[in-house]
Formats: sequence, structure tokens, C-alpha cells
Amino acid sequence: DQQVKQNSPSLSVQEGRISILNCDYTNSMFDYFLWYKKYPAEGPTFLISISSIKDKNEDGRFTVFLNKSAKHLSLHIVPSQPGDSAVYFCAAPSTGNQFYFGTGTSLTVIP
Amino acid sequence: GAGVSQSPRYKVAKRGQDVALRCDPISGHVSLFWYQQALGQGPEFLTYFQNEAQLDKSGLPSDRFFAERPEGSVSTLKIQRTQQEDSAVYLCASSLGWGFSSGPSYEQYFGPGTRLTVT
Repeated sequence: DQQVKQNSPSLSVQEGRISILNCDYTNSMFDYFLWYKKYPAEGPTFLISISSIKDKNEDGRFTVFLNKSAKHLSLHIVPSQPGDSAVYFCAAPSTGNQFYFGTGTSLTVIP
Repeated sequence: GAGVSQSPRYKVAKRGQDVALRCDPISGHVSLFWYQQALGQGPEFLTYFQNEAQLDKSGLPSDRFFAERPEGSVSTLKIQRTQQEDSAVYLCASSLGWGFSSGPSYEQYFGPGTRLTVT
């Protein structure tokens, strides 16, 4: 039962353009969402988060949008840079201690 | 370094062998999580510790999996009688814990993982 879904396994974007990574969830009890970035042979690193009381959170080139009615969130990276090439996971903690991760989207930024 | 470390980074085990994977969390972090990440998948929750107490082990796939954190710092994930389906990357993460500052600290700091291959 996949409670957090990332339906696009990969995405390629030209340097300087916008990257949009999408995530859907099924559990309406989720009240916090996080995005992680992962380089090969490294563990995921925290990128940005959003609380369910907000619909947008911005940090430099990264913005996360939350649409609760659609149970959908997206991560926007603008402008995209080659160093952004990585696998991006969205995640949500349950009311307990479990974190649910999506399957990831591999972003390639083409110079 | 001040990050989460895991050892070994790579482990090859023959089916039926026991393995032990170690995690050194960030000093002072109360919470510690173990995840299993199969190829092409996201991390899947295995177990959670708050200090030395294992508060949630609902993600452990079978009774062959056992985790401990006896002094509330270093943790060990043990897999007995390994099977081929146990082949995965095992990630450890730590966080400050719940209820700090203005609210729960959900940010988890991950180690590089241990890649286990069972032949």
C-alpha cells in the first residue's frame, strides 16, 4: 500500500529552466511533508519541507507547493543547475513514528 | 565528521549467514530510524528508537530482523539466516526527536547506507 507516490521515475531538464517534481499521497491525516535529495552512494539529505497549514514554502531556488484537496505536492527548482541532478524523494511522517517515502524521481539537468 | 555513519558500507553474505549492521547517529540525537531501500524503490521504514527504547518495530519484515540501541546512541541491525530477498541498502537516520523548539523536528539526517548483497 503506497501512501506516497511519485509517478515519474525520471525527468530531464535543460540548465536554467524550471524542474517540477510531483508527489501524490493517499492519507489525508498527513500534516507535514518533506523533500529529500539523494546522490549515488550517499544517504538522502533534507531539502525542504511544508506543513499542511501552508500551501507554499520557498527556500532559495526551491519551492514546494501543497494542494491538500488534491492530495498533491510539487517541488519546483528554478533555475535548474547541473548540480541538482539527483534522485528526489518526497516523504510524509505518520501520526506515529513511521515515515513514508515515495519511490523517487531521478532528475537530470542537462548543461 | 558530525554526520551519521554506517558500517560496513558493503556487505556480501551467503544465504543463511547472520549479519550485523552498525549505525552511529549524530551525537545528541534522540531518535534513530532504520530503513530498507530496495533497488528502484524509496526507503521503507523498519524500526524506530527514542533513546534506547524501541518504540516501533512494525516495519521489520520478519522475526529474523532484530535491532537494538542499548545505550541510546549506537544502534545495530541484525539479520539472521539471511535470504536473497534481504538484499537491499539499509539506511540509518537520526533526528533531534519530537517536541523540540517550536514543534516536532521531523528532519532526519541519513547515513550513507550499507549495501547488503545475499548470494
